Amino acid sequence: KAGVTQTPRYLIKTRGQQVTLSCSPISGHRSVSWYQQTPGQGLQFLFEYFSETQRNKGNFPGRFSGRQFSNSRSEMNVSTLELGDSALYLCASSLTSGSTNTGELFFGEGSRLTVL
Amino acid sequence: AQSVAQPEDQVNVAEGNPLTVKCTYSVSGNPYLFWYVQYPNRGLQFLLKYITGDNLVKGSYGFEAEFNKSQTSFHLKKPSALVSDSALYFCAVRDMSGKLIFGTGTRLQVFP
Repeated sequence: KAGVTQTPRYLIKTRGQQVTLSCSPISGHRSVSWYQQTPGQGLQFLFEYFSETQRNKGNFPGRFSGRQFSNSRSEMNVSTLELGDSALYLCASSLTSGSTNTGELFFGEGSRLTVL
Repeated sequence: AQSVAQPEDQVNVAEGNPLTVKCTYSVSGNPYLFWYVQYPNRGLQFLLKYITGDNLVKGSYGFEAEFNKSQTSFHLKKPSALVSDSALYFCAVRDMSGKLIFGTGTRLQVFP
Protein backbone atom coordinates (compact mmCIF):
# COMPACT_ATOMS: atom_id res chain seq x y z
CA LYS A 1 0.00 0.00 0.00
CA ALA A 2 1.41 3.40 -0.95
CA GLY A 3 2.60 5.65 1.84
CA VAL A 4 2.00 9.33 2.44
CA THR A 5 3.13 11.37 -0.55
CA GLN A 6 4.22 14.97 -0.28
CA THR A 7 4.99 17.32 -3.14
CA PRO A 8 7.16 19.11 -3.89
CA ARG A 9 10.08 17.64 -1.94
CA TYR A 10 12.22 20.75 -2.21
CA LEU A 11 11.44 24.33 -3.07
CA ILE A 12 13.03 27.73 -2.84
CA LYS A 13 11.03 30.92 -2.49
CA THR A 14 11.78 34.55 -1.72
CA ARG A 15 10.37 36.68 1.06
CA GLY A 16 6.85 37.90 0.41
CA GLN A 17 5.93 35.08 -1.93
CA GLN A 18 3.42 32.39 -1.14
CA VAL A 19 3.71 28.63 -1.33
CA THR A 20 1.33 25.68 -1.52
CA LEU A 21 2.34 22.21 -0.36
CA SER A 22 0.42 19.07 -1.16
CA CYS A 23 -0.12 15.85 0.77
CA SER A 24 -1.78 12.61 -0.33
CA PRO A 25 -2.55 10.37 2.65
CA ILE A 26 -2.52 6.60 2.78
CA SER A 27 -5.57 5.20 1.06
CA GLY A 28 -8.46 4.99 3.53
CA HIS A 29 -6.97 7.47 5.98
CA ARG A 30 -9.27 10.40 6.65
CA SER A 31 -7.13 12.45 9.00
CA VAL A 32 -4.24 14.59 7.80
CA SER A 33 -1.99 16.56 10.14
CA TRP A 34 0.74 19.04 9.30
CA TYR A 35 3.88 19.73 11.29
CA GLN A 36 6.71 22.21 10.89
CA GLN A 37 10.18 20.98 11.78
CA THR A 38 13.05 23.39 12.42
CA PRO A 39 16.37 22.88 14.23
CA GLY A 40 15.47 25.50 16.82
CA GLN A 41 11.81 24.72 17.52
CA GLY A 42 11.67 21.01 16.79
CA LEU A 43 8.36 19.58 15.61
CA GLN A 44 5.51 22.05 15.88
CA PHE A 45 1.89 21.14 15.14
CA LEU A 46 0.23 23.28 12.49
CA PHE A 47 -3.25 21.82 12.00
CA GLU A 48 -5.28 18.69 11.47
CA TYR A 49 -8.05 18.00 9.01
CA PHE A 50 -10.58 15.20 9.17
CA SER A 51 -13.32 14.69 6.60
CA GLU A 52 -12.64 18.11 5.07
CA THR A 53 -13.00 19.91 8.42
CA GLN A 54 -10.23 21.49 10.44
CA ARG A 55 -10.30 19.66 13.76
CA ASN A 56 -7.32 21.18 15.47
CA LYS A 57 -5.01 24.13 15.05
CA GLY A 58 -1.60 24.99 16.47
CA ASN A 59 -0.18 28.37 17.43
CA PHE A 60 0.79 29.69 14.04
CA PRO A 61 -0.17 33.03 12.46
CA GLY A 62 -3.01 33.29 9.98
CA ARG A 63 -0.50 33.26 7.12
CA PHE A 64 -0.53 29.49 7.54
CA SER A 65 -3.68 27.86 6.24
CA GLY A 66 -4.80 24.52 4.97
CA ARG A 67 -7.64 22.58 3.49
CA GLN A 68 -8.68 19.03 2.80
CA PHE A 69 -10.51 17.72 -0.22
CA SER A 70 -13.18 15.06 -0.47
CA ASN A 71 -10.58 12.44 -1.43
CA SER A 72 -8.69 13.27 1.82
CA ARG A 73 -5.80 14.92 -0.01
CA SER A 74 -4.67 18.04 1.79
CA GLU A 75 -2.87 21.24 0.95
CA MET A 76 -1.26 23.82 3.15
CA ASN A 77 -0.53 27.37 2.11
CA VAL A 78 1.84 29.91 3.55
CA SER A 79 1.40 33.48 2.37
CA THR A 80 3.78 36.41 2.64
CA LEU A 81 6.75 34.17 3.33
CA GLU A 82 9.31 35.16 5.93
CA LEU A 83 12.86 33.93 6.37
CA GLY A 84 11.77 32.11 9.53
CA ASP A 85 9.35 29.97 7.55
CA SER A 86 12.29 27.99 6.19
CA ALA A 87 11.65 24.50 7.49
CA LEU A 88 10.78 20.90 6.73
CA TYR A 89 6.99 20.64 6.50
CA LEU A 90 5.75 17.19 7.36
CA CYS A 91 2.37 15.74 6.61
CA ALA A 92 1.00 12.73 8.47
CA SER A 93 -2.11 10.66 8.03
CA SER A 94 -4.09 8.39 10.29
CA LEU A 95 -7.32 6.44 10.11
CA THR A 96 -9.19 8.41 12.74
CA SER A 97 -9.01 11.58 14.74
CA GLY A 98 -9.50 12.84 18.26
CA SER A 99 -8.30 12.16 21.78
CA THR A 100 -9.38 8.51 21.72
CA ASN A 101 -7.40 7.78 18.58
CA THR A 102 -4.92 5.08 19.60
CA GLY A 103 -3.43 4.76 16.14
CA GLU A 104 -0.08 6.02 15.05
CA LEU A 105 0.57 8.76 12.53
CA PHE A 106 2.17 7.82 9.23
CA PHE A 107 4.48 10.54 7.95
CA GLY A 108 5.49 11.58 4.49
CA GLU A 109 9.07 12.46 3.64
CA GLY A 110 8.37 16.17 3.91
CA SER A 111 8.65 19.29 1.81
CA ARG A 112 11.78 21.28 2.50
CA LEU A 113 11.09 24.98 2.04
CA THR A 114 13.91 27.50 1.85
CA VAL A 115 12.99 31.18 1.96
CA LEU A 116 15.63 33.60 0.68
CA ALA B 1 -1.11 20.09 29.50
CA GLN B 2 0.39 16.94 28.07
CA SER B 3 4.10 17.03 27.38
CA VAL B 4 7.16 14.83 26.96
CA ALA B 5 10.77 15.55 27.76
CA GLN B 6 13.87 14.01 26.25
CA PRO B 7 16.68 15.01 28.59
CA GLU B 8 19.56 14.02 26.32
CA ASP B 9 20.36 15.83 23.08
CA GLN B 10 22.72 13.06 22.04
CA VAL B 11 23.45 9.51 23.07
CA ASN B 12 26.65 7.78 22.00
CA VAL B 13 27.02 4.01 22.13
CA ALA B 14 29.37 1.43 20.68
CA GLU B 15 28.03 -1.09 18.20
CA GLY B 16 26.91 -4.26 19.95
CA ASN B 17 26.27 -2.53 23.25
CA PRO B 18 22.78 -1.97 24.67
CA LEU B 19 21.24 1.44 24.13
CA THR B 20 18.70 3.52 26.02
CA VAL B 21 17.06 6.74 24.87
CA LYS B 22 15.19 8.43 27.68
CA CYS B 23 11.74 9.99 27.70
CA THR B 24 9.57 11.25 30.54
CA TYR B 25 5.98 12.37 30.21
CA SER B 26 3.44 14.56 31.90
CA VAL B 27 -0.21 13.80 31.22
CA SER B 28 -3.59 13.96 32.84
CA GLY B 29 -5.39 10.70 32.39
CA ASN B 30 -4.10 7.64 30.59
CA PRO B 31 -1.08 8.33 28.39
CA TYR B 32 -0.88 7.31 24.76
CA LEU B 33 2.88 7.27 24.09
CA PHE B 34 4.85 6.82 20.89
CA TRP B 35 8.40 6.56 19.61
CA TYR B 36 9.45 7.66 16.14
CA VAL B 37 12.78 7.64 14.30
CA GLN B 38 13.97 10.07 11.65
CA TYR B 39 16.82 9.39 9.24
CA PRO B 40 18.53 12.32 7.46
CA ASN B 41 16.27 14.17 5.02
CA ARG B 42 13.40 11.77 5.66
CA GLY B 43 10.07 11.86 7.44
CA LEU B 44 9.37 10.21 10.76
CA GLN B 45 8.95 6.45 10.96
CA PHE B 46 6.82 4.85 13.65
CA LEU B 47 8.69 2.48 15.99
CA LEU B 48 6.23 1.55 18.72
CA LYS B 49 3.43 2.75 20.97
CA TYR B 50 2.02 2.23 24.42
CA ILE B 51 -1.73 2.44 24.85
CA THR B 52 -2.50 0.04 27.65
CA GLY B 53 -1.53 -3.41 28.87
CA ASP B 54 1.96 -4.86 29.15
CA ASN B 55 4.53 -2.32 30.31
CA LEU B 56 7.15 -3.68 27.90
CA VAL B 57 6.27 -2.80 24.35
CA LYS B 58 8.08 -4.36 21.41
CA GLY B 59 8.43 -2.50 18.14
CA SER B 60 10.20 -2.35 14.81
CA TYR B 61 13.90 -3.06 14.14
CA GLY B 62 14.41 -4.81 17.49
CA PHE B 63 13.48 -1.78 19.59
CA GLU B 64 11.40 -1.97 22.73
CA ALA B 65 10.20 0.52 25.31
CA GLU B 66 9.34 0.22 28.96
CA PHE B 67 6.39 2.13 30.35
CA ASN B 68 6.91 3.06 34.00
CA LYS B 69 3.92 4.77 35.56
CA SER B 70 5.54 5.56 38.91
CA GLN B 71 8.51 7.25 37.24
CA THR B 72 6.40 8.67 34.37
CA SER B 73 8.95 7.37 31.92
CA PHE B 74 8.87 5.63 28.58
CA HIS B 75 12.48 4.84 27.70
CA LEU B 76 13.42 3.33 24.35
CA LYS B 77 15.81 0.39 24.46
CA LYS B 78 17.63 -2.05 22.25
CA PRO B 79 19.80 -4.93 23.50
CA SER B 80 22.47 -4.61 20.81
CA ALA B 81 22.99 -1.39 18.85
CA LEU B 82 23.81 -1.27 15.14
CA VAL B 83 25.59 1.50 13.27
CA SER B 84 22.48 1.74 11.10
CA ASP B 85 20.46 2.71 14.20
CA SER B 86 22.18 6.10 14.14
CA ALA B 87 19.36 8.61 13.68
CA LEU B 88 17.16 11.15 15.45
CA TYR B 89 14.63 9.67 17.86
CA PHE B 90 11.44 11.37 19.02
CA CYS B 91 9.16 10.51 21.89
CA ALA B 92 5.56 11.73 21.61
CA VAL B 93 2.33 11.82 23.60
CA ARG B 94 -1.21 12.26 22.34
CA ASP B 95 -2.84 15.23 24.02
CA MET B 96 -6.48 15.79 25.00
CA SER B 97 -7.34 17.20 21.59
CA GLY B 98 -5.83 14.22 19.79
CA LYS B 99 -2.70 15.75 18.34
CA LEU B 100 0.76 14.34 18.98
CA ILE B 101 3.11 16.43 21.10
CA PHE B 102 6.73 15.61 20.34
CA GLY B 103 9.83 15.85 22.46
CA THR B 104 12.86 17.77 21.27
CA GLY B 105 14.52 14.66 19.91
CA THR B 106 17.64 12.69 20.82
CA ARG B 107 20.37 12.06 18.33
CA LEU B 108 21.68 8.52 18.63
CA GLN B 109 25.20 7.92 17.38
CA VAL B 110 26.38 4.32 17.21
CA PHE B 111 30.12 3.94 16.70
CA PRO B 112 31.65 0.88 15.01
